[in-house]
Amino acid sequence: GAGVSQSPSNKVTEKGKDVELRCDPISGHTALYWYRQSLGQGLEFLIYFQGNSAPDKSGLPSDRFSAERTGGSVSTLTIQRTQQEDSAVYLCASSRPVGEGGQEQYFGPGTRLTVT
Amino acid sequence: GQNIDQPTEMTATEGAIVQINCTYQTSGFNGLFWYQQHAGEAPTFLSYNVLDGLEEKGRFSSFLSRSKGYSYLLLKELQMKDSASYLCAVRDSGSARQLTFGSGTQLTVLP
Repeated sequence: GAGVSQSPSNKVTEKGKDVELRCDPISGHTALYWYRQSLGQGLEFLIYFQGNSAPDKSGLPSDRFSAERTGGSVSTLTIQRTQQEDSAVYLCASSRPVGEGGQEQYFGPGTRLTVT
Repeated sequence: GQNIDQPTEMTATEGAIVQINCTYQTSGFNGLFWYQQHAGEAPTFLSYNVLDGLEEKGRFSSFLSRSKGYSYLLLKELQMKDSASYLCAVRDSGSARQLTFGSGTQLTVLP
């Protein structure tokens, strides 16, 4: 079966532009997470979806960041007016519904974002 | 919040045993995970501990002491392909159950 997929794999953008990152979770995984990993840093939690709703947006670093999920499947993370400090690898992970076992989160390959 | 500490780098020899330690201070706890991440790749799940004790899975074992806020990952019979970053992560006890990661331990296996 297919794992978590993300697109694009790499994105170079100019400061001030908007970018949209996409995540396709594993089929049937209703929990979806976005993290980012800056160079030499650990993974930083951004946002969590259970189905289409995002009960926890506490990790989003600023109001330039937003995310949505439709149909309980694909999610997009949008960064408006990108800044150089947004440069990082953005990782998406999915898991079975919270509370229904399946402890691990499965990660996608990530999108490497470079803001010039 | 969560604070997770692990060594930045470790080096070991092929065929040897290495132990990677992780200490954490948390406001909520619902399990500790170890992930392996090769350069440029996604993290892959290695182990999960929620109760005290040792979990063994092939060449990899993980230990947890909740009272001490301490875990270790033990890798036996090291192979060159084990060279990677090993990430310790604590799962929050809140509704989101998101993972808080340490910065990772870069393990280099030498021939």
